[in-house]
Amino acid sequence: GENVEQHPSTLSVQEGDSAVIKCTYSDSASNYFPWYKQELGKRPQLIIDIRSNVGEKKDQRIAVTLNKTAKHFSLHITETQPEDSAVYFCAASITDSWGKLQFGAGTQVVVTP
Amino acid sequence: KAGVTQTPRYLIKTRGQQVTLSCSPISGHRSVSWYQQTPGQGLQFLFEYFSETQRNKGNFPGRFSGRQFSNSRSEMNVSTLELGDSALYLCASSSAQGNTEAFFGQGTRLTVV
Repeated sequence: GENVEQHPSTLSVQEGDSAVIKCTYSDSASNYFPWYKQELGKRPQLIIDIRSNVGEKKDQRIAVTLNKTAKHFSLHITETQPEDSAVYFCAASITDSWGKLQFGAGTQVVVTP
Repeated sequence: KAGVTQTPRYLIKTRGQQVTLSCSPISGHRSVSWYQQTPGQGLQFLFEYFSETQRNKGNFPGRFSGRQFSNSRSEMNVSTLELGDSALYLCASSSAQGNTEAFFGQGTRLTVV
């Protein structure tokens, strides 16, 4: 089945710097790649997603890139702020297994003022 | 629009007992997925229901089961509880129109003693 690897497991950045989180997936049939942010004690919330027919997507300070050939996708956060501190999860799913998200292990991002 | 509601929020059970968790999806959403979240294993997919039918299943033992009712509400049952079943159980609902955003509930924190 699908396997998603996520790196790094922890990421410390200074406020205003950029943060990058990388994920790789194993199933070439995967075609949907969401990113979730989970603050301490709260539910995961979708921050951005990308589909396999798109190479890059941006939403204000957040962007995601997808390389289908290499089977990896990345989350980029620019101009980080303290409220960006959270655990970020990447995920992948395929149309035939719609509704089944395979998650990466998560990245703890700490933004220091 | 009300979000995904999970009940109860907290549960303490003894080894060997069974437990039932409930999830009410966002109105109009027909797909409900269940995930187990633990510090060591991250977010792991349990199963997904759509129109009262289980469409996808993760790699969990048969002690974990679920069902969905005609109003799309879903329940998850765990029988013969083990200490290792202690986790946050999250459900997510989606509109089932292709790979669309999964909205998570606050989760049920299950502690097995």
